[in-house]
Amino acid sequence: DQQVKQNSPSLSVQEGRISILNCDYTNSMFDYFLWYKKYPAEGPTFLISISSIKDKNEDGRFTVFLNKSAKHLSLHIVPSQPGDSAVYFCAGNHGSSNTGKLIFGQGTTLQVKP
Amino acid sequence: EAGVTQSPTHLIKTRGQQATLRCSPISGHTSVYWYQQALGLGLQFLLWYDEGEERNRGNFPPRFSGRQFPNYSSELNVNALELEDSALYLCASSSLDRAGGYTFGSGTRLTVV
Repeated sequence: DQQVKQNSPSLSVQEGRISILNCDYTNSMFDYFLWYKKYPAEGPTFLISISSIKDKNEDGRFTVFLNKSAKHLSLHIVPSQPGDSAVYFCAGNHGSSNTGKLIFGQGTTLQVKP
Repeated sequence: EAGVTQSPTHLIKTRGQQATLRCSPISGHTSVYWYQQALGLGLQFLLWYDEGEERNRGNFPPRFSGRQFPNYSSELNVNALELEDSALYLCASSSLDRAGGYTFGSGTRLTVV
């Protein structure tokens, strides 16, 4: 049961352009969604989150959009930089039942070309 | 402030042996989470410890177990190692801020030969 899906395994963009990473979910009980960035041989690093009652959250070059009716969220990176090249994971956090676990998608590998 | 620390960084074991992985959370965090990332796969939830108790476990066999100590550090034990247990094992800790997510350590790369 894949509750969080990232259907694009990889994405390649040119430096300075916008990167858009997508994520779909099936569980309506998530109250927070989070994006993590992971470099090889390192642990994931928290990037940005959004509450399920919001539709947008912005932090510098990173903006997350949430479309609850479509059960879809996206991470926009503008402008993209070569240092953004990494694997990006979206994750959902349960609300009413505190299971303690984040449910992660499979990840999308972003490559930003100079 | 020190982050989440894990040891060892790399571990090579033979099939059938036992592996012990260690994690120290961020100071003040009482919850510790363990995740497995097998090659080419996402992060799979293993275990959650809080205040010394196991609160939840993922869909893994009983060979995977652990504990949390009074200082909130944690151990993950994997018994009767199988080749498919080869993976990156990540530990994370969190505060009560649900918006802030979890802070992960750099992981232990376990290789079973």
